[in-house]
Amino acid sequence: EAGVTQSPTHLIKTRGQQVTLRCSPISGHTSVYWYQQALGLGLQFLLWYDEGEERNRGNFPPRFSGRQFPNYSSELNVNALELEDSALYLCASSLAVRGFNEKLFFGSGTQLSVL
Amino acid sequence: EDQVTQSPEALRLQEGESSSLNCSYTVSGLRGLFWYRQDPGKGPEFLFTLYSAGEEKEKERLKATLTKKESFLHITAPKPEDSATYLCAVQTGGYNKLIFGAGTRLAVHP
Repeated sequence: EAGVTQSPTHLIKTRGQQVTLRCSPISGHTSVYWYQQALGLGLQFLLWYDEGEERNRGNFPPRFSGRQFPNYSSELNVNALELEDSALYLCASSLAVRGFNEKLFFGSGTQLSVL
Repeated sequence: EDQVTQSPEALRLQEGESSSLNCSYTVSGLRGLFWYRQDPGKGPEFLFTLYSAGEEKEKERLKATLTKKESFLHITAPKPEDSATYLCAVQTGGYNKLIFGAGTRLAVHP
């Protein structure tokens, strides 16, 4: 069974540019989560999508946005990139069970470097 | 504010030298505490979920325990392949948001 897949694996952008990251969840999983992992910091929660709807959002500015498609895949968009956006962006999926998920399955992430 | 603190930040062990990693938390209503393992260049991999104080879970050389204020990940007779970053996370209230600690980087040397 295929795991969570993310693309691209690496990305280099310059300040002010826009970027789109993509995630395909495990087959049958309806929830998709996005996390940011900056160097030396823990995973910071960005967004949670379930059944095509945004269910929760972390403490990030509005230039971080995303969506979930009918096939449950997801995109994370970051506008007006800043240097501090350089990080590993991780996508995770899970089965949504009455609002409480047992565990998340993570992809290998997209390493974004902003110059 | 909900908070998760892991210690130590880094730990170096000799093969076979048992030790424990600590995860202390301050949250309003714990729904679950999770342990993950993360290898370099990869996403975190699920290890355990603990739900209530006194609960314990084991997997190979790893054993996780939970109290009302902290969790421990005990590593018995570690091997070099146990080298990784171990992450602790808590889920509180609703909204399926996991709050992660910064992790403990474990290095096991032969």
